[in-house]
Amino acid sequence: DAGITQSPRYKITETGRQVTLMCHQTWSHSYMFWYRQDLGHGLRLIYYSAAADITDKGEVPDGYVVSRSKTENFPLTLESATRSQTSVYFCASITAGSSYNEQFFGPGTRLTVL
Amino acid sequence: SQQGEEDPQALSIQEGENATMNCSYKTSINNLQWYRQNSGRGLVHLILIRSNEREKHSGRLRVTLDTSKKSSSLLITASRAADTASYFCATDRSYSGAGSYQLTFGKGTKLSVIP
Repeated sequence: DAGITQSPRYKITETGRQVTLMCHQTWSHSYMFWYRQDLGHGLRLIYYSAAADITDKGEVPDGYVVSRSKTENFPLTLESATRSQTSVYFCASITAGSSYNEQFFGPGTRLTVL
Repeated sequence: SQQGEEDPQALSIQEGENATMNCSYKTSINNLQWYRQNSGRGLVHLILIRSNEREKHSGRLRVTLDTSKKSSSLLITASRAADTASYFCATDRSYSGAGSYQLTFGKGTKLSVIP
């Protein structure tokens, strides 16, 4: 299916475990983003990527690692999960050169760290 | 830090009434966007207004932008129960470079439209 998908949709893990959230888009958009959404904070940018093998930190990158070996995939890894990383995570994408700057969002992954 | 801040945080109206949400931001922007989020879903783009525009319409949506006051408003006319959702403004920064597609989102306004 065309679009942007995230997996898993729901995840429960324990403190200290490594967790990887997947994001896949079929549009060949060059830019991809990871946000977390928490009550009282809205959406905050964790990491973004301008193209394959090009990533950069956003507002709240600590405790997260990203990679982008292929244009269509942008996994987010929590190397050692903490309770403060309990959140809803959204992936988004946009094509480079877009004057419209509209970001397309995935459905989100709800992560609970016990 | 948050660039955009929506006001009010929550709004409850009757079906058929108009809903107005406001957004304030801090730094110069290229454009301002409004997104909608239904409960448990991702955000969906509604409308974009550029920094050189003052007003824009799309269906029942009307957006205004006042760059001198660094504020924007989203008006939904003749609201419907299906408009119940959270609404977010998002701004980008007026600089070029690899980060120029970054958006900074506000905390959102939760709109409830009562049938």
